[in-house]
Amino acid sequence: GQNIDQPTEMTATEGAIVQINCTYQTSGFNGLFWYQQHAGEAPTFLSYNVLDGLEEKGRFSSFLSRSKGYSYLLLKELQMKDSASYLCAVMDSNYQLIWGAGTKLIIKP
Amino acid sequence: IAGITQAPTSQILAAGRRMTLRCTQDMRHNAMYWYRQDLGLGLRLIHYSNTAGTTGKGEVPDGYSVSRANTDDFPLTLASAVPSQTSVYFCASSDSGTSGTDTQYFGPGTRLTVL
Repeated sequence: GQNIDQPTEMTATEGAIVQINCTYQTSGFNGLFWYQQHAGEAPTFLSYNVLDGLEEKGRFSSFLSRSKGYSYLLLKELQMKDSASYLCAVMDSNYQLIWGAGTKLIIKP
Repeated sequence: IAGITQAPTSQILAAGRRMTLRCTQDMRHNAMYWYRQDLGLGLRLIHYSNTAGTTGKGEVPDGYSVSRANTDDFPLTLASAVPSQTSVYFCASSDSGTSGTDTQYFGPGTRLTVL
């Protein structure tokens, strides 16, 4: 079966750095996506990786290792507004997204 | 530019009733999707459409039907609602549906409670 694993919840301090991990086992691979979802709102796109390595976008970076079935999202200089759930999703061989359950990130002052 | 709109925002429904959730996009995207999101679970695909006139079944299609008469609209119908269909429903769209780089954009969601 297809499976995406990520931690249920993480806590970090304002101004710090946090790394959210995602491991996956899917039928084929056509890219990995990270989305942010604030409570009661829709998911919004953060990043996309299809090749191994690090993609940097401002305070957010995403890393992919296809051989290990592993990705992480790195958030730097954490702000209170970063409190949200972070969803990892893999596009399988049928171009359908398989979603993890999400990691709830709590930022403390 | 609205992007994707969904209606209603929330609804309480008696079991056995028929309900249609509406979804409209103005981005001229070819592909559209319906997901449900339940606590502790990832988003699960119900139905999708890669282009107007075609639809496909996702991971959890039972009890739901869709139609895609035109590019903009993708309604989801529950023929006879059951309590297990209580969930938050998200509609999404993407440019093609058949590309690895295809980013999906989500509507604001419909919170449905079936009693």
